[in-house]
Parts: sequence; structure tokens; C-alpha cells
Amino acid sequence: DADVTQTPRNRITKTGKRIMLECSQTKGHDRMYWYRQDPGLGLRLIYYSFDVKDINKGEISDGYSVSRQAQAKFSLSLESAIPNQTALYFCATSVDNLEQFFGPGTRLTVL
Amino acid sequence: GQNIDQPTEMTATEGAIVQINCTYQTSGFNGLFWYQQHAGEAPTFLSYNVLDGLEEKGRFSSFLSRSKGYSYLLLKELQMKDSASYLCAVLSGGYNKLIFGAGTRLAVHP
Repeated sequence: DADVTQTPRNRITKTGKRIMLECSQTKGHDRMYWYRQDPGLGLRLIYYSFDVKDINKGEISDGYSVSRQAQAKFSLSLESAIPNQTALYFCATSVDNLEQFFGPGTRLTVL
Repeated sequence: GQNIDQPTEMTATEGAIVQINCTYQTSGFNGLFWYQQHAGEAPTFLSYNVLDGLEEKGRFSSFLSRSKGYSYLLLKELQMKDSASYLCAVLSGGYNKLIFGAGTRLAVHP
């Protein structure tokens, strides 16, 4: 079984809809992250969490919210999806400042 | 501001050596990572440098010069499966956040 899983893997939705992306990990890591990846822009940090109930904004948090109710789960929500949120979304985990382990990604399309 | 630059695309021949450069300007520095990402897949860790010098790991090596804000990833004995994007990322700032470059897409030809 994969250590970091994301659901759904693919999602097509319409403008204005609320969307939740889920991330779960079995690595026992305290730190979890949400990134989005767009062609030519690389990975950009949306939110990160260093522990349960700890939430920190990344460089592009507007239009997104997150929830960290348990060590193993970190959810990303788009309250009202818009087309420019179409992207590939990755969850990642880490121990302290060491390497980050990425989930398989969620491809989100907002029409 | 924070800026990480790496070439957009590179091509190389199977069996050859290729060097992918990365220059950075960040507020604070706590280490530099290289990740490999095949199309449509998750990035996977390749190397980590925090002190100046060369780190070697099999066919892959990574070099860091903190005074110059410069790193490179060296891939030897290239194989077709090395065709992928290579992401340079700097751990910076008080909360040690990873700042990623846009990635270098490497195509290996027979």
C-alpha cells in the first residue's frame, strides 16, 4: 500500500461548486503540505501543517482552506471553485526539514 | 524576493553525462533538494545538500555552492528512464518552507 494517498485522483467540476481533496498518510509524519502544480510554474505551496490543529498559509492560500483533524489526514477545500484553480494538486509529508514524500496527485478541472 | 532558476528543457544522449544547473536567491537557506518527476507522477527525492561540496549517490551527484547561490545535478550513464523533469527546491525561511523552481524537462535520446 502507498504511504501517502490522495482521493479523488481525478475530478471535473463546475464553477462555484465546493470541492474537497483528501490526503492520508501511514508514515507517521507530523508535517503535511498541499501544493498545486501548473505547467511552467513548478510546485507552489498552498497550506502546510506541522501538527494536528496547526494550520499555516503558504504562498497561494487565497480561495483555499484546509483541515487537520488527525495526524494522518490533511484535507484541502475549494469553497467555490473557479477555472483558474484547474491544476494538479499534490499532498506531501515530512519529518522535520528532511525530504518530503509526495502523494500521487489529484488532477482537478474546473469548467 | 525568492527566485529559483533552472533551464526549462535539456536533451541528451543515452550513455552520456548531463549537468542541470540551478541558481537561487531566497530569504534564508537551510538546504537544497533535487527531485525527479516523471510526467503525471509524484516528485521523488533524489538528493539533499546543506553544506558546500559534492554529494554522490550512484549515477547521480549534486553540488552546492552557498556563496554563489548555485547548485547542479549531474546524471551519468544516462538511461532512457531518466527522461523526466528535475526539480530544484530550496528550504528557506523561518518555517523552513520548500520553494521550488519550475523544473527542467530532460529528454534522453537513443
